[in-house]
Amino acid sequence: QKEVEQDPGPLSVPEGAIVSLNCTYSNSAFQYFMWYRQYSRKGPELLMYTYSSGNKEDGRFTAQVDKSSKYISLFIRDSQPSDSATYLCAQRGYSTLTFGKGTMLLVSP
Amino acid sequence: DVKVTQSSRYLVKRTGEKVFLECVQDMDHENMFWYRQDPGLGLRLIYFSYDVKMKEKGDIPEGYSVSREKKERFSLILESASTNQTSMYLCASSTKTGEMGGSNQPQHFGDGTRLSIL
Repeated sequence: QKEVEQDPGPLSVPEGAIVSLNCTYSNSAFQYFMWYRQYSRKGPELLMYTYSSGNKEDGRFTAQVDKSSKYISLFIRDSQPSDSATYLCAQRGYSTLTFGKGTMLLVSP
Repeated sequence: DVKVTQSSRYLVKRTGEKVFLECVQDMDHENMFWYRQDPGLGLRLIYFSYDVKMKEKGDIPEGYSVSREKKERFSLILESASTNQTSMYLCASSTKTGEMGGSNQPQHFGDGTRLSIL
């Protein structure tokens, strides 16, 4: 079964903390991953996408893929209250994307 | 910036009604998608379309149909609405270009239609 798993949270951190959000995947055929951020009552917004192993950085956000353990991570440095949202990971499949169910992040001032 | 616009943010309908949800994108994307999102179940794909007049079933097509008469517009139809179709409905689009040239590129979402069936 092609699945992408995420802990639903909520993950609560103080402002300024480093946040680590994680997903595991089961299908190794496609090594193309995306992270989406979804604010309450809004649609998911594409944050980053990354291909194969290694890191990709964009400002305070770093996406990491570990092929050997089938693990993908999103790190947020210097977290802000405005980062409070649900974060969804997604994996490219044969014809569409497979989404995790999302992790809720709460950053308190 | 990609803009995916869903015609209604909130909609209330009655059981048995035929319901139309409309979605328009302005980026000339080939692929369009309809999902529903429910607490604890995540995003579930209902239907997608990779070209005008083409459609493919997703994971939960039962009780739904779609129409794609123009490239920029993708409609979701609830043939006879039921209470278990109360949900947040999200439309998305993506380009077909890319290293694999398919319908599996990063998707851009609208802000959703919260549909209540009474």
